[in-house]
Amino acid sequence: DTGVSQDPRHKITKRGQNVTFRCDPISEHNRLYWYRQTLGQGPEFLTYFQNEAQLEKSRLLSDRFSAERPKGSFSTLEIQRTEQGDSAMYLCASSVGLAESNEQFFGPGTRLTVL
Amino acid sequence: GNSVTQMEGPVTLSEEAFLTINCTYTATGYPSLFWYVQYPGEGLQLLLKATKADDKGSNKGFEATYRKETTSFHLEKGSVQVSDSAVYFCALTPPSNTGKLIFGQGTTLQVKP
Repeated sequence: DTGVSQDPRHKITKRGQNVTFRCDPISEHNRLYWYRQTLGQGPEFLTYFQNEAQLEKSRLLSDRFSAERPKGSFSTLEIQRTEQGDSAMYLCASSVGLAESNEQFFGPGTRLTVL
Repeated sequence: GNSVTQMEGPVTLSEEAFLTINCTYTATGYPSLFWYVQYPGEGLQLLLKATKADDKGSNKGFEATYRKETTSFHLEKGSVQVSDSAVYFCALTPPSNTGKLIFGQGTTLQVKP
């Protein structure tokens, strides 16, 4: 079963360090989304790609955050100069087609802890 | 702006009880509406959806009807099982064709035998 995969599953870092997460979507899916989820809350949209183009970024995505999807396949999310407030679960999701109602398939997430 | 509000949890029910989890939304235009579920130790997965007013989404015995007049999408199940214990998220996608999901805060359901 080749669902959405994310790596690493857990990351512990010290404040001020840079971290990078990877997401591998389902192979034929052209849309890829990043969300952030803190404890007891629903996921919050961060950004999305259609193929390799980053088409929307949330105001939550400060200039310390950058995301790429260089060949329209896997995506990376980098956080520079991490802060304790960045501690959260980072979720990746993918979908096929262009309809807003298409199902998004979620990965297991990367849990980030900033000490 | 666009937002989703769910009833506070946790909700604790006995097996075979009737379930309702309330969800209301604020959106411009006609969003698509979803219920996602997160079982313990698993990722989020789609439970059901509805894309226009008066549509009813259904799956695994769960149902929800898109009510434009009350801006609601309440989740119901006639007889819950222990295996339904999970966190349930109501969500919408605004009619902007990006497909980005806007989630409620989630409602934890615990079903006891």
